[in-house]
Amino acid sequence: AQSVAQPEDQVNVAEGNPLTVKCTYSVSGNPYLFWYVQYPNRGLQFLLKYITGDNLVKGSYGFEAEFNKSQTSFHLKKPSALVSDSALYFCAVRPHNTDKLIFGTGTRLQVFP
Amino acid sequence: DTAVSQTPKYLVTQMGNDKSIKCEQNLGHDTMYWYKQDSKKFLKIMFSYNNKELIINETVPNRFSPKSPDKAHLNLHINSLELGDSAVYFCASSLGPASGRVSYEQYFGPGTRLTVT
Repeated sequence: AQSVAQPEDQVNVAEGNPLTVKCTYSVSGNPYLFWYVQYPNRGLQFLLKYITGDNLVKGSYGFEAEFNKSQTSFHLKKPSALVSDSALYFCAVRPHNTDKLIFGTGTRLQVFP
Repeated sequence: DTAVSQTPKYLVTQMGNDKSIKCEQNLGHDTMYWYKQDSKKFLKIMFSYNNKELIINETVPNRFSPKSPDKAHLNLHINSLELGDSAVYFCASSLGPASGRVSYEQYFGPGTRLTVT
């Protein structure tokens, strides 16, 4: 079955420190990969995507993600966290043969001052 | 503002009632979706439409019926509401391959919080 795993329910990090939110996937073929962020009582905002090419992709608000095909991972990173980055982050994959997004269970990022 | 919009934002109703949620996008996209987010924040696709045609129907009960009057609108009608239907429903849109300008990512509306009592 196709699935996306976000192994950490919550990630805590001090402001100014680097952050990583983990994502692995189990999808046949070469899927498209995405990160979305959800602030309280808001919809999902697109952060970045990997379609093809360079394994390191950069997105909004200073976030980046690294695609690792051998480990089937797409971890989200930021060199220096801000308190305003605190939110719920979702990893998603889109198999090549469909339009639908398969979401992970979400990781709550808490950045402490 | 260019966006995906949904109405209403909040919907509180009793079991057995019928209700509708409306979605509109002015992004010029040709594919629209409905997702359901449960109380544990888990997101799952329900339907997708491409240019008014149903593409994906993910084993959703027949009580849920999407309607797409044109490619900018995708409404969700729910019959005989049940307690388990309580969730946040998100509409989304994207550019599909038929448009010749595939965008891959989907843009989400603000959500409709449905509470069934």
